[in-house]
Amino acid sequence: SQQGEEDPQALSIQEGENATMNCSYKTSINNLQWYRQNSGRGLVHLILIRSNEREKHSGRLRVTLDTSKKSSSLLITASRAADTASYFCATDAGYKLSFGAGTTVTVRA
Amino acid sequence: GAGVSQSPSNKVTEKGKDVELRCDPISGHTALYWYRQSLGQGLEFLIYFQGNSAPDKSGLPSDRFSAERTGGSVSTLTIQRTQQEDSAVYLCASRPGQLDTEAFFGQGTRLTVV
Repeated sequence: SQQGEEDPQALSIQEGENATMNCSYKTSINNLQWYRQNSGRGLVHLILIRSNEREKHSGRLRVTLDTSKKSSSLLITASRAADTASYFCATDAGYKLSFGAGTTVTVRA
Repeated sequence: GAGVSQSPSNKVTEKGKDVELRCDPISGHTALYWYRQSLGQGLEFLIYFQGNSAPDKSGLPSDRFSAERTGGSVSTLTIQRTQQEDSAVYLCASRPGQLDTEAFFGQGTRLTVV
């Protein structure tokens, strides 16, 4: 079963705009991770936020985690055409990585 | 190799045939996962191996699916008597056994059952 649920399912933005997507989950976690997938093949890890962290930055990425609401958000600032991809959150409950259905982001030039 | 390697990249098989999908994880990674992704969908967990522990097979959809991991390294996912609904991309990932580590994915095997 899928632990995380992303919202929205799809997002279309203009180049230079920010993209925000959300992830909700159901059970306790050790950490939450975000991955990107291009062209329906292998996933690439973007960022990991531990359960005792509230916010983390990596380049143009900003991730927040609210364990009381069991939710996380991923913000991509100043989007580029190369950011066009599907983005997945994954909850890590000790060993099992469970993925959501993903958010498909399209960045228009 | 430097990354997770999966073979074959693509596999077309006739309904009812058995198939074997292979995954070579990153050397030293004790954890190995198999996922299935149908077109436009999320990742469906299939099975997880961690070191010498018994695998977590809770995601295998039927007894036609099985997986092995030999010597704590290479893993093989076997699907017997394939059905059209088995058509999907099968993804393998590995990661170190410690907590709070990222997973590294292979490029997947696209299975088409005709």
